[in-house]
Formats: sequence, C-alpha cells, structure tokens
Amino acid sequence: QKEVEQNSGPLSVPEGAIASLNCTYSDRGSQSFFWYRQYSGKSPELKMFIYSNGDKEDGRFTAQLNKASQYVSLLIRDSQPSDSATYLCAFTGGGNKLTFGTGTQLKVEL
Amino acid sequence: GAVVSQHPSWVICKSGTSVKIECRSLDFQATTMFWYRQFPKQSLMLMATSNEGSKATYEQGVEKDKFLINHASLTLSTLTVTSAHPEDSSFYICSARTYRTSDTQYFGPGTRLTVL
Repeated sequence: QKEVEQNSGPLSVPEGAIASLNCTYSDRGSQSFFWYRQYSGKSPELKMFIYSNGDKEDGRFTAQLNKASQYVSLLIRDSQPSDSATYLCAFTGGGNKLTFGTGTQLKVEL
Repeated sequence: GAVVSQHPSWVICKSGTSVKIECRSLDFQATTMFWYRQFPKQSLMLMATSNEGSKATYEQGVEKDKFLINHASLTLSTLTVTSAHPEDSSFYICSARTYRTSDTQYFGPGTRLTVL
C-alpha cells in the first residue's frame, strides 16, 4: 500500500465551481499535513498546512483533516483558471521528512 | 518571509563534468535543508537531508559519493552532481525549514539539469 494516495486526475471543473481534491494516507503516526501547488516546470508552492482535525480556511482554500479516517482534502471555492496546476498532498511523521503523493492535476475550464 | 533561492535555475553540461547547485534561505536561518529530484510527470523524491555543520543523511538508493552535499552555514547548502551522466538529467529542488516553521518546508525555484 502506498503511503499517500491521490487520484492523478485530471480533475476538470468549470470556472467558478468548487474543486475538491482528496488524499488518503496510511501512517497513523502522521502529524502534519500539507497541500502544495505545482505549476508545470516550477517548484512546489505551499498552499495550506493543517495539524488538527477539522477545517482550516484561507481565502478560497479550505483544508480538511480527518485523522480517524486518514484523509485530508483541499477545497477550492470559486475556482479560477489560474488554479489549474498539480496539487501535491504531503505529510510528516515524527521526523523531518515530507512524504509526497503523486499529485492531482486540476484543470479549471472557462 | 520564508524565501528560498536556488542558483543556477538551469544548467546544461557535458557528460562526465561536475555541476554545483546552490540553495539559500534569504530571510531566515534554515536549521535543515532538503534536496529533492523530480523526473517528468513524477512526484518529488527526497535525495538527502542536511543539517548545518553535520553530514547529510542520504535516502536509500542515493549515492552519496555522486551527490555531494555541503551545508556550511544556516543559509547555504550546496549539491554537487559529480561526473554527471544523461540519466542524472532532472529537476533538482531544495527546501528549507527552521524551528520557527516547525514541519513546514519552503521550496526553492528548482534547477533544471540537462546532461548531454
């Protein structure tokens, strides 16, 4: 079983809609969870981090964490074409290392 | 805040030569820096973790004699790809964290290496 599972997509949503990206993880010891956005040919950019169960909102972005079910999600409201990118889910356990998923490609269509 | 730079942004070299990539934290002191490699359409693969003033810890399968890492100060880490070959062509990305940012890693813009 992979440590982090993400649907590779592409996930296509119309402009203005809500995009929902999901990620499941296998390590129950995971402590911190991150969503990075990566445009093609660029390095990852931190969008959200979440440590506690529940929701965390930042503008149009909301991260949701459910440790009991071992999933973390990212909701993007009022999706814009500029949101089109690959979104990488990542987590850390007790150490320094980030474990990345393979990413979900999001396409926001006009 | 939390800006990380890399230099060069891209490099093309001949097979057998060595290439040095610099990673700098510009507005904070990085207690730990990380080096990743990313091949096309794949996720990031951690190569090594380096702490200032100590030897880097390499991931399984990464040759430490080929990928030399030096973390000489709290703001600078370098990765040297020695005797580069075409299969080393990849996107190399560094990241940095500090005690203030806890587990959060901030990534540099990456260096695209092409070995001819």
